[in-house]
Amino acid sequence: KQEVTQIPAALSVPEGENLVLNCSFTDSAIYNLQWFRQDPGKGLTSLLLIQSSQREQTSGRLNASLDKSSGRSTLYIAASQPGDSATYLCAVGGSWGKLQFGAGTQVVVTP
Amino acid sequence: DTAVSQTPKYLVTQMGNDKSIKCEQNLGHDTMYWYKQDSKKFLKIMFSYNNKELIINETVPNRFSPKSPDKAHLNLHINSLELGDSAVYFCASSQVGQGGYEQYFGPGTRLTVT
Repeated sequence: KQEVTQIPAALSVPEGENLVLNCSFTDSAIYNLQWFRQDPGKGLTSLLLIQSSQREQTSGRLNASLDKSSGRSTLYIAASQPGDSATYLCAVGGSWGKLQFGAGTQVVVTP
Repeated sequence: DTAVSQTPKYLVTQMGNDKSIKCEQNLGHDTMYWYKQDSKKFLKIMFSYNNKELIINETVPNRFSPKSPDKAHLNLHINSLELGDSAVYFCASSQVGQGGYEQYFGPGTRLTVT
């Protein structure tokens, strides 16, 4: 049974620092891994999708890595801004697109 | 243009009632999903339809019945609502293929059962 864990559960950093968010999963037989952002009371916004054959994906200040063999993914956010404050969710993709989510990391970036 | 939309956004109802939530996607995707986010903010898949066919059916009470009239729509009907059904329900869609594709989520429907 796949289990997805996100560490830390919460993180507070001053503006300008780099953010490092970790995600681990127990079953390496995944199709892909997707990172989302969720603002309070809102839906999920997709940030990055990494296919199982890829090692990393980049979009602007965001970079996500994937190491299937060790069951880990890391989301890096460079030069954090107060607008980056949100909950970040990692989701592992299985067959038929079934996503299994971690519990999320709540991020606060202070000005 | 809204990619994945849900109605209603908020739903407040009493125990024992029956209610429906509707979802529509205009992305041309072939697969749609229902997820439930509980009070601890944990998201879990409930159902998935591919080309109107049910393909994922997690351990969900049979009071919950999804229906997909066409590829662009997926509705969720809940009978005999219970207090524990209070949660945020998210609809999502994707184009499922080898390797899987990006999943897009709707804004959610906050269901409160009193």
